[in-house]
Amino acid sequence: ETGVTQTPRHLVMGMTNKKSLKCEQHLGHNAMYWYKQSAKKPLELMFVYNFKEQTENNSVPSRFSPECPNSSHLFLHLHTLQPEDSALYLCASSPIGGTEAFFGQGTRLTVV
Amino acid sequence: QKEVEQDPGPLSVPEGAIVSLNCTYSNSAFQYFMWYRQYSRKGPELLMYTYSSGNKEDGRFTAQVDKSSKYISLFIRDSQPSDSATYLCATATGGGNKLTFGTGTQLKVEL
Repeated sequence: ETGVTQTPRHLVMGMTNKKSLKCEQHLGHNAMYWYKQSAKKPLELMFVYNFKEQTENNSVPSRFSPECPNSSHLFLHLHTLQPEDSALYLCASSPIGGTEAFFGQGTRLTVV
Repeated sequence: QKEVEQDPGPLSVPEGAIVSLNCTYSNSAFQYFMWYRQYSRKGPELLMYTYSSGNKEDGRFTAQVDKSSKYISLFIRDSQPSDSATYLCATATGGGNKLTFGTGTQLKVEL
């Protein structure tokens, strides 16, 4: 059982919808991340949060809006997405300054 | 040029074979090297973690880093059908938490 839990596991949304992905970690870590995984592409880092503060935004379009209310929870708010945004969205956590990231199961997002 | 290159496979081997998975990287500042295993419809799980050059062994798995040639390897001995998964290599310069991943190699171990 992973220490990083993501909900929902699957999401289908229309291009005009607004939805949110949720991530919760029970590992006592203070760094959390959102990654995007598309077929035949490397994992793409989207956002990094250290102690609830965003420290990296990897040129992600504004239709993706992260929120980190505390060190254990991370959200990704989605609005007016495009079909090319369909992918597996992975949340991860690590100790601050640590390079070992622990991933959740991911949310399989399909934009129609 | 991608920072981390990895053959996507698929790689198919018989049960009991020795498997060699490899990545090359271009950034000489990378100091930390990881292998993740990802089963279908699951998130990646950390398999091996090494710092700088050298070997690290854990059961049937051996991770090897050669910084002089910028080459990292994962060897799986006595491969099992349960080893069938996608294997992702990842690197980091250290501090700052930013990992750079390869595309992953899909491995199938057949009975």
